[in-house]
Amino acid sequence: LAKTTQPISMDSYEGQEVNITCSHNNIATNDYITWYQQFPSQGPRFIIQGYKTKVTNEVASLFIPADRKSSTLSLPRVSLSDTAVYYCLVVGGYQKVTFGTGTKLQVIP
Amino acid sequence: DSGVTQTPKHLITATGQRVTLRCSPRSGDLSVYWYQQSLDQGLQFLIHYYNGEERAKGNILERFSAQQFPDLHSELNLSSLELGDSALYFCASSGRRDRGVNEQFFGPGTRLTVL
Repeated sequence: LAKTTQPISMDSYEGQEVNITCSHNNIATNDYITWYQQFPSQGPRFIIQGYKTKVTNEVASLFIPADRKSSTLSLPRVSLSDTAVYYCLVVGGYQKVTFGTGTKLQVIP
Repeated sequence: DSGVTQTPKHLITATGQRVTLRCSPRSGDLSVYWYQQSLDQGLQFLIHYYNGEERAKGNILERFSAQQFPDLHSELNLSSLELGDSALYFCASSGRRDRGVNEQFFGPGTRLTVL
């Protein structure tokens, strides 16, 4: 099971782009990189998933370099409502799923 | 609304007692996952069921057990409760996906308080 490392916390001003990087050095060939968002006392919510290169949806972009040993979640023009904990997961198939401690993003007005 | 329901929303009980948490997955989802989240902690994976069968086990205590029924709902049983079992318990479900890893949809959680 691939271990992930991400910053414990980040601060950003409203309207700025936020990039959260996650390291996963021992990612396996079949593993996908997935990001979840969690607000206090709520269950996590899926944001985006990717295997390689770049994935973009209406909420975020996910950049994955060729070696796949890291990934960067990019949140464009954050607002106060984006204040949450963001989890990076590396999962393949029916494995144990480890969320880790995540990155606590604080958006400042 | 994720489509995953959990009952009860809150549960207050005493040490030594036994409780059952219930989860109904999204319609059509065969996988159910259980997680525990203590105050200001990350989510700890407990167990995963797929179509009634246990598929993966995480850091689940022997005092805890789970099952998934033929109608696909799942129950998490916690016995001989201790103060440290106080936490938010989340259930998530996922369905079939052509490629990639199944996105998990989380329920609202059950907040368990052991006094």
